[in-house]
Amino acid sequence: KAGVTQTPRYLIKTRGQQVTLSCSPISGHRSVSWYQQTPGQGLQFLFEYFSETQRNKGNFPGRFSGRQFSNSRSEMNVSTLELGDSALYLCASSTGTVAEAFFGQGTRLTVV
Amino acid sequence: AQSVSQHNHHVILSEAASLELGCNYSYGGTVNLFWYVQYPGQHLQLLLKYFSGDPLVKGIKGFEAEFIKSKFSFNLRKPSVQWSDTAEYFCAPDPNAGKSTFGDGTTLTVKP
Repeated sequence: KAGVTQTPRYLIKTRGQQVTLSCSPISGHRSVSWYQQTPGQGLQFLFEYFSETQRNKGNFPGRFSGRQFSNSRSEMNVSTLELGDSALYLCASSTGTVAEAFFGQGTRLTVV
Repeated sequence: AQSVSQHNHHVILSEAASLELGCNYSYGGTVNLFWYVQYPGQHLQLLLKYFSGDPLVKGIKGFEAEFIKSKFSFNLRKPSVQWSDTAEYFCAPDPNAGKSTFGDGTTLTVKP
């Protein structure tokens, strides 16, 4: 069974640009969560999508948005990039009921 | 929202020492808790999970955790650590409930 796949693995963008990250969950999983991981802030929850609907949202500005498609694949978009957005963005999938989350390798975003 | 807090941010041990990492949760109702580990350069993976039943939960690689309801705790333990246990450890609530705020993480360094 294939794991969680995130693309791209690495990305370099300049300030002010926008970026879209992609996450393909494990087959059959309907919940996709996004996290931002930085050395200073640790692992912070961005949002969670379940069956194409945003079910939970963390405390990030509106520049961070996401969506989920009917096949459960999810995308995360960050507009007007800032230097502080440089981080490892992790995607996790789960069944949507009480169960553990399975994480992808992450997308390393560097904003210059 | 469900949230957890971890007491220790950085722990340094010698091989064969015993390990206990603290985790406290702050929500009521049904409690489901997880410990994840992130080895250097690898993605987050599940160590163990507690849903209900026996409060002493055994996970992979000799780790265990005890759910103590009266203390709102779910501490991670290992009797004898190895150099290969050097990693970052995260305590987390159910990813499918609330905002799933992970603990800040504990970096464990095991000296050979």
